[in-house]
Amino acid sequence: GIQVEQSPPDLILQEGANSTLRCNFSDSVNNLQWFHQNPWGQLINLFYIPSGTKQNGRLSATTVATERYSLLYISSSQTTDSGVYFCAGTTSGTYKYIFGTGTRLKVLA
Amino acid sequence: GAGVSQSPRYKVAKRGQDVALRCDPISGHVSLFWYQQALGQGPEFLTYFQNEAQLDKSGLPSDRFFAERPEGSVSTLKIQRTQQEDSAVYLCASSLGAGRETQYFGPGTRLLVL
Repeated sequence: GIQVEQSPPDLILQEGANSTLRCNFSDSVNNLQWFHQNPWGQLINLFYIPSGTKQNGRLSATTVATERYSLLYISSSQTTDSGVYFCAGTTSGTYKYIFGTGTRLKVLA
Repeated sequence: GAGVSQSPRYKVAKRGQDVALRCDPISGHVSLFWYQQALGQGPEFLTYFQNEAQLDKSGLPSDRFFAERPEGSVSTLKIQRTQQEDSAVYLCASSLGAGRETQYFGPGTRLLVL
Protein backbone atom coordinates (compact mmCIF):
# COMPACT_ATOMS: atom_id res chain seq x y z
CA GLY A 1 0.00 0.00 0.00
CA ILE A 2 0.87 3.64 -0.17
CA GLN A 3 3.53 4.93 2.21
CA VAL A 4 3.48 8.44 3.63
CA GLU A 5 6.73 9.75 5.08
CA GLN A 6 6.98 13.00 6.98
CA SER A 7 10.11 14.93 7.80
CA PRO A 8 11.59 15.90 10.09
CA PRO A 9 10.21 13.45 12.66
CA ASP A 10 11.00 15.84 15.51
CA LEU A 11 11.57 19.58 15.56
CA ILE A 12 12.37 22.00 18.36
CA LEU A 13 12.05 25.72 17.66
CA GLN A 14 12.45 28.92 19.56
CA GLU A 15 9.34 31.07 19.61
CA GLY A 16 9.30 33.34 16.55
CA ALA A 17 11.22 30.97 14.27
CA ASN A 18 9.97 29.69 10.92
CA SER A 19 9.83 26.07 9.79
CA THR A 20 8.95 23.83 6.87
CA LEU A 21 7.42 20.39 7.29
CA ARG A 22 7.42 17.93 4.42
CA CYS A 23 5.15 15.06 3.44
CA ASN A 24 6.24 12.55 0.77
CA PHE A 25 3.97 9.95 -0.82
CA SER A 26 5.10 6.71 -2.43
CA ASP A 27 2.27 6.86 -4.96
CA SER A 28 -0.24 9.36 -6.31
CA VAL A 29 -2.63 10.64 -3.67
CA ASN A 30 -5.81 12.63 -3.69
CA ASN A 31 -7.61 14.78 -1.14
CA LEU A 32 -4.46 15.68 0.77
CA GLN A 33 -5.05 17.27 4.18
CA TRP A 34 -2.85 18.63 6.95
CA PHE A 35 -3.79 18.25 10.62
CA HIS A 36 -2.44 19.47 13.93
CA GLN A 37 -2.86 17.22 16.96
CA ASN A 38 -2.53 19.32 20.08
CA PRO A 39 -1.01 18.01 23.33
CA TRP A 40 -4.51 17.03 24.53
CA GLY A 41 -5.02 14.79 21.51
CA GLN A 42 -7.49 16.87 19.53
CA LEU A 43 -6.96 16.75 15.77
CA ILE A 44 -7.58 20.04 14.01
CA ASN A 45 -7.81 20.34 10.25
CA LEU A 46 -5.37 22.95 8.94
CA PHE A 47 -5.73 22.63 5.18
CA TYR A 48 -7.54 20.61 2.57
CA ILE A 49 -5.03 20.98 -0.24
CA PRO A 50 -5.08 18.41 -3.05
CA SER A 51 -2.98 20.75 -5.18
CA GLY A 52 -1.66 24.30 -5.29
CA THR A 53 -1.00 26.70 -2.44
CA LYS A 54 -3.16 27.99 0.40
CA GLN A 55 -2.51 30.38 3.25
CA ASN A 56 -4.23 30.87 6.57
CA GLY A 57 -2.61 33.41 8.83
CA ARG A 58 0.87 32.26 9.83
CA LEU A 59 0.39 28.91 8.11
CA SER A 60 0.60 28.07 4.46
CA ALA A 61 0.74 24.84 2.50
CA THR A 62 1.76 23.76 -0.97
CA THR A 63 1.02 20.46 -2.67
CA VAL A 64 2.79 19.35 -5.85
CA ALA A 65 0.70 16.32 -6.71
CA THR A 66 2.73 15.39 -9.80
CA GLU A 67 5.85 15.10 -7.64
CA ARG A 68 4.03 13.42 -4.75
CA TYR A 69 4.84 15.84 -1.95
CA SER A 70 3.33 18.54 0.16
CA LEU A 71 4.88 21.22 2.36
CA LEU A 72 3.53 22.99 5.42
CA TYR A 73 5.10 26.33 6.36
CA ILE A 74 4.82 27.74 9.85
CA SER A 75 6.00 31.31 10.30
CA SER A 76 6.63 33.20 13.54
CA SER A 77 5.98 30.06 15.56
CA GLN A 78 4.20 30.28 18.91
CA THR A 79 4.16 27.89 21.86
CA THR A 80 0.58 26.99 20.96
CA ASP A 81 1.89 25.52 17.69
CA SER A 82 3.41 22.65 19.67
CA GLY A 83 2.02 19.20 18.99
CA VAL A 84 2.13 16.68 16.18
CA TYR A 85 1.49 17.56 12.54
CA PHE A 86 0.06 14.91 10.23
CA CYS A 87 -0.59 14.84 6.54
CA ALA A 88 -3.11 12.40 5.09
CA GLY A 89 -4.48 11.50 1.69
CA THR A 90 -6.44 8.91 -0.23
CA THR A 91 -5.49 6.81 -3.21
CA SER A 92 -7.52 7.09 -6.38
CA GLY A 93 -11.07 5.79 -6.12
CA THR A 94 -11.04 5.19 -2.38
CA TYR A 95 -12.18 6.94 0.77
CA LYS A 96 -9.44 5.34 2.88
CA TYR A 97 -7.26 8.09 4.28
CA ILE A 98 -3.65 7.12 4.95
CA PHE A 99 -1.91 9.22 7.58
CA GLY A 100 1.77 10.06 7.60
CA THR A 101 4.27 9.26 10.31
CA GLY A 102 3.91 12.73 11.83
CA THR A 103 6.23 15.57 12.78
CA ARG A 104 6.42 16.29 16.51
CA LEU A 105 6.97 20.03 17.03
CA LYS A 106 7.93 21.72 20.26
CA VAL A 107 8.11 25.51 20.38
CA LEU A 108 10.03 26.96 23.31
CA ALA A 109 9.16 30.30 24.88
CA GLY B 1 -22.34 25.17 15.85
CA ALA B 2 -21.48 22.03 17.77
CA GLY B 3 -18.54 19.98 16.63
CA VAL B 4 -18.14 16.22 16.51
CA SER B 5 -18.76 14.61 19.87
CA GLN B 6 -17.83 11.16 21.11
CA SER B 7 -18.82 9.16 24.15
CA PRO B 8 -17.64 7.87 26.44
CA ARG B 9 -14.39 9.80 26.55
CA TYR B 10 -12.71 7.02 28.54
CA LYS B 11 -13.56 3.36 28.78
CA VAL B 12 -11.91 0.63 30.80
CA ALA B 13 -12.92 -2.89 29.86
CA LYS B 14 -11.92 -6.30 31.07
CA ARG B 15 -10.59 -8.61 28.41
CA GLY B 16 -13.50 -10.42 26.80
CA GLN B 17 -16.07 -7.70 27.41
CA ASP B 18 -18.02 -6.05 24.62
CA VAL B 19 -17.84 -2.26 24.24
CA ALA B 20 -19.81 0.30 22.24
CA LEU B 21 -18.39 3.67 21.27
CA ARG B 22 -20.63 6.46 20.04
CA CYS B 23 -20.02 9.26 17.57
CA ASP B 24 -22.28 12.26 16.96
CA PRO B 25 -21.10 13.98 13.76
CA ILE B 26 -21.70 17.59 12.84
CA SER B 27 -25.35 17.96 11.86
CA GLY B 28 -25.90 17.53 8.14
CA HIS B 29 -22.54 15.93 7.46
CA VAL B 30 -22.84 13.16 4.93
CA SER B 31 -19.53 11.41 5.57
CA LEU B 32 -18.34 9.72 8.74
CA PHE B 33 -15.02 8.04 9.37
CA TRP B 34 -13.69 5.91 12.23
CA TYR B 35 -9.98 5.71 13.01
CA GLN B 36 -7.85 3.89 15.56
CA GLN B 37 -4.82 5.65 17.00
CA ALA B 38 -2.23 3.72 18.98
CA LEU B 39 0.09 5.58 21.33
CA GLY B 40 2.71 7.53 19.41
CA GLN B 41 1.28 6.62 16.02
CA GLY B 42 -0.85 8.34 13.44
CA PRO B 43 -4.54 7.53 13.06
CA GLU B 44 -5.34 4.37 11.09
CA PHE B 45 -8.48 4.15 9.00
CA LEU B 46 -11.12 1.69 10.16
CA THR B 47 -14.28 2.36 8.17
CA TYR B 48 -16.22 4.96 6.17
CA PHE B 49 -19.94 5.76 5.94
CA GLN B 50 -21.72 7.90 3.42
CA ASN B 51 -25.08 8.60 5.04
CA GLU B 52 -26.19 5.17 6.28
CA ALA B 53 -24.18 3.18 3.74
CA GLN B 54 -20.90 1.65 4.89
CA LEU B 55 -18.85 2.07 1.74
CA ASP B 56 -15.49 0.94 3.06
CA LYS B 57 -14.74 -1.31 6.00
CA SER B 58 -11.36 -2.48 4.83
CA GLY B 59 -9.57 -1.15 7.91
CA LEU B 60 -11.54 -3.08 10.51
CA PRO B 61 -8.89 -5.35 12.06
CA SER B 62 -11.09 -8.39 12.68
CA ASP B 63 -14.67 -9.59 12.68
CA ARG B 64 -14.85 -8.55 16.33
CA PHE B 65 -15.17 -4.96 15.11
CA PHE B 66 -18.51 -3.78 13.80
CA ALA B 67 -19.77 -0.29 12.94
CA GLU B 68 -23.17 1.05 12.04
CA ARG B 69 -24.90 4.31 11.19
CA PRO B 70 -28.51 3.24 10.76
CA GLU B 71 -30.14 6.65 10.24
CA GLY B 72 -27.25 8.39 8.59
CA SER B 73 -26.34 10.51 11.60
CA VAL B 74 -25.09 8.95 14.86
CA SER B 75 -22.65 6.06 14.49
CA THR B 76 -21.63 3.30 16.86
CA LEU B 77 -18.42 1.30 16.77
CA LYS B 78 -18.77 -2.00 18.60
CA ILE B 79 -15.91 -4.22 19.66
CA GLN B 80 -16.79 -7.71 20.80
CA ARG B 81 -14.68 -9.85 23.12
CA THR B 82 -12.12 -7.08 23.63
CA GLN B 83 -8.45 -7.97 23.72
CA GLN B 84 -5.49 -6.05 25.11
CA GLU B 85 -4.30 -5.09 21.63
CA ASP B 86 -7.59 -3.19 21.16
CA SER B 87 -6.36 -0.59 23.65
CA ALA B 88 -6.10 2.68 21.71
CA VAL B 89 -7.84 5.97 21.08
CA TYR B 90 -10.80 5.63 18.72
CA LEU B 91 -11.42 8.76 16.68
CA CYS B 92 -14.45 9.75 14.69
CA ALA B 93 -14.44 12.37 11.95
CA SER B 94 -17.13 13.82 9.73
CA SER B 95 -17.17 15.86 6.55
CA LEU B 96 -19.91 17.74 4.77
CA GLY B 97 -19.82 16.03 1.41
CA ALA B 98 -18.89 12.70 -0.07
CA GLY B 99 -15.72 12.00 1.87
CA ARG B 100 -13.23 13.91 -0.20
CA GLU B 101 -12.97 17.18 1.67
CA THR B 102 -12.15 18.74 5.04
CA GLN B 103 -12.56 16.31 7.94
CA TYR B 104 -13.56 17.44 11.43
CA PHE B 105 -12.48 15.19 14.27
CA GLY B 106 -14.08 14.43 17.59
CA PRO B 107 -12.09 14.31 20.85
CA GLY B 108 -11.79 10.52 20.73
CA THR B 109 -12.58 7.67 23.09
CA ARG B 110 -9.61 6.27 24.98
CA LEU B 111 -10.13 2.52 25.44
CA LEU B 112 -8.05 0.53 27.88
CA VAL B 113 -8.49 -3.23 27.95
CA LEU B 114 -7.14 -4.94 31.05
